[in-house]
Amino acid sequence: DIVMTQSPLSLPVTPGEPASISCRSSQSLLHSNGYTYLNWYLQKPGQSPQLLIHLGSNRASGVPDRFSGSGSRTDFTLKITRVEAEDVGVYYCMQALQTPITFGQGTRLEIK
Amino acid sequence: EVQLVESGGGVLQPGGSLRLSCAASGFPFSSYWMHWVRQAPGKGLVWVSRINSGGSITTYADSVRGRFTISRDNAKNTLYLQMNSLRAEDTAVYYCVRDLGPGDIWGQGTTLTVSS
Repeated sequence: DIVMTQSPLSLPVTPGEPASISCRSSQSLLHSNGYTYLNWYLQKPGQSPQLLIHLGSNRASGVPDRFSGSGSRTDFTLKITRVEAEDVGVYYCMQALQTPITFGQGTRLEIK
Repeated sequence: EVQLVESGGGVLQPGGSLRLSCAASGFPFSSYWMHWVRQAPGKGLVWVSRINSGGSITTYADSVRGRFTISRDNAKNTLYLQMNSLRAEDTAVYYCVRDLGPGDIWGQGTTLTVSS
């Protein structure tokens, strides 16, 4: 199984400041078709998860451009340029390269 | 409106059985792979199972293989998860998800509690 490891697990951020979350996979998520099967999700309090980024760096429809995904093979980063109050929640990375599909442990972003 | 609505959760004793349902609307259900993902209280997301658009290919997490069965009825636009030999560790919110990836859609979840 591919193990997904996120850091930090807790992230207090002042509104307007940037934030960054790291995700590492135990093996490369680069498929032979050239795509990297890494997604980022945000689960806001009391809600279902929502897709932020797919294929490593593609913002999902409706996601603000302050969110960006980068990285390759085994090292990935989710960045928020300026955190807003509505960004509070738990962020998960997920690999969809192979089954079992696996998620990171989650990073809880809170507002200072 | 594109929507997934899960139902069927409840409180069961260990060893019991239950079937979850997920009603899809607003999109061509028969064109999409579907997944079940669960979340134990206060814990992270765990993928459980998936099924291809036609229902002929199924995959399971090791923790549920042999006990859970995913299926679908494309005529009824409904996804199912038959859960047998339930354990306390199966306690979770179960989410039905359309096609984990671009344009994926999550239901609101249905809660299963397994307790004696």
